[in-house]
Order: sequence, then structure tokens, then C-alpha cells
Amino acid sequence: KAGVTQTPRYLIKTRGQQVTLSCSPISGHRSVSWYQQTPGQGLQFLFEYFSETQRNKGNFPGRFSGRQFSNSRSEMNVSTLELGDSALYLCASSLDSGNQPQHFGDGTRLSIL
Amino acid sequence: AQSVTQLDSQVPVFEEAPVELRCNYSSSVSVYLFWYVQYPNQGLQLLLKYLSGSTLVKGINGFEAEFNKSQTSFHLRKPSVHISDTAEYFCAVSAGYGGATNKLIFGTGTLLAVQP
Repeated sequence: KAGVTQTPRYLIKTRGQQVTLSCSPISGHRSVSWYQQTPGQGLQFLFEYFSETQRNKGNFPGRFSGRQFSNSRSEMNVSTLELGDSALYLCASSLDSGNQPQHFGDGTRLSIL
Repeated sequence: AQSVTQLDSQVPVFEEAPVELRCNYSSSVSVYLFWYVQYPNQGLQLLLKYLSGSTLVKGINGFEAEFNKSQTSFHLRKPSVHISDTAEYFCAVSAGYGGATNKLIFGTGTLLAVQP
């Protein structure tokens, strides 16, 4: 069974640009969550989608948005990029509703110049 | 609100020695606890989980953890470590809002550095 796939693995952008990251969950998983990992702030929850609906949202500015498609694939978008958005963005999928173990992808490393 | 504290940012240990990585949590509701491992340039891999039942949980790669409700702890242990266990380890708690979310709250991580 294929794991969680995140594309691209690496991305370099400049300040002010926008970026879209993609996540394909494990087949059959309906819940997708996104996390930001930085050396200073650690792992922080961005948002969670279940059956195309945003179920939970972390404490991030509105520049961070996401969506989930009918096949459970998810994208997250960051607009007006700032230097502080440089991070590893991790996607995780779960089989169903709450408190399920999450399976993580290898992440997208976003660098802002 | 839930929170997780990992007291040790780094734990050096010699190969074949035992190790314990500490994790304390705070929660006003039922807790679901997890340990994840992250190798360089990779995502997080689930080591073990506590959802209910036996307080001693066994995971992959010879790791185990014990859920202690009175001490609000979920420490990770391995009786004999290998060089390949060198990685960052994260303790996490799930919100547990009656099953309404899979959101995880992570600790700051512990770097396990195994020396030959």
C-alpha cells in the first residue's frame, strides 16, 4: 500500500509569491491534516480536512488556506510568502474520524529567499 | 487545553545501553497518546499509540511506553539501543473531543544520539 505522497519535495520561492503544496493520502483514508515544522516553533497544526470539509484550523494567518477534493487529495496554499514561512510542511492522513493514528508523508521543504 | 512537555531536548546514550525518553502531558479530557520518530529528511513515523486498555504499550523497533494517569506521563523506553535509533522523537496528544478531530499537539522533541 502506498504511503502519503507529498509534492514537490523541495521548493524555493521569493517573498510575496504564492505557493501550492499537494498531498495524496493513503488509499481509503478520508482525513488529511497539515503541519508546519520549524526549528523555532516545532510542529504546529495548520488545518484538518475530512470528507472535503475543514474540520479544524490552527492559529495561522489567513494567508494559509487549504482544501480537500472528493478523492481525499488535499492542497494547501500560502499567499504573499514571508521569510518566516520557510519550513517543512508535513501532511498526514488518517483512516476515519477522530483520534486515529496519523500517517505522515516526507514533507515539502519550502525555502523563501 | 492539551499540552505536551518533553523535558529533554537531547539524550546521549551508548550503543546497547537502555534509554528512557520522558513525556508529560496535560489534558482535561480523555487522552490519546502517541510517540513518533523522525529520521533526517523524512516525515514522522508512528512508533506506538495509547488509546485505551493496557497501560503498557509495545511499538515497533523494540520500543515500549507506559501510560501513567496519576503522573500524567507517557515515557518511551528501549532496553538496548542501536546506532540506527539515532533520530528525533516526538510525543503527541490527540485532542480527544469525542472523536471529532485527529489534530495532534506535539512536544518539542528529543534528539536521541546513540554513540558507539
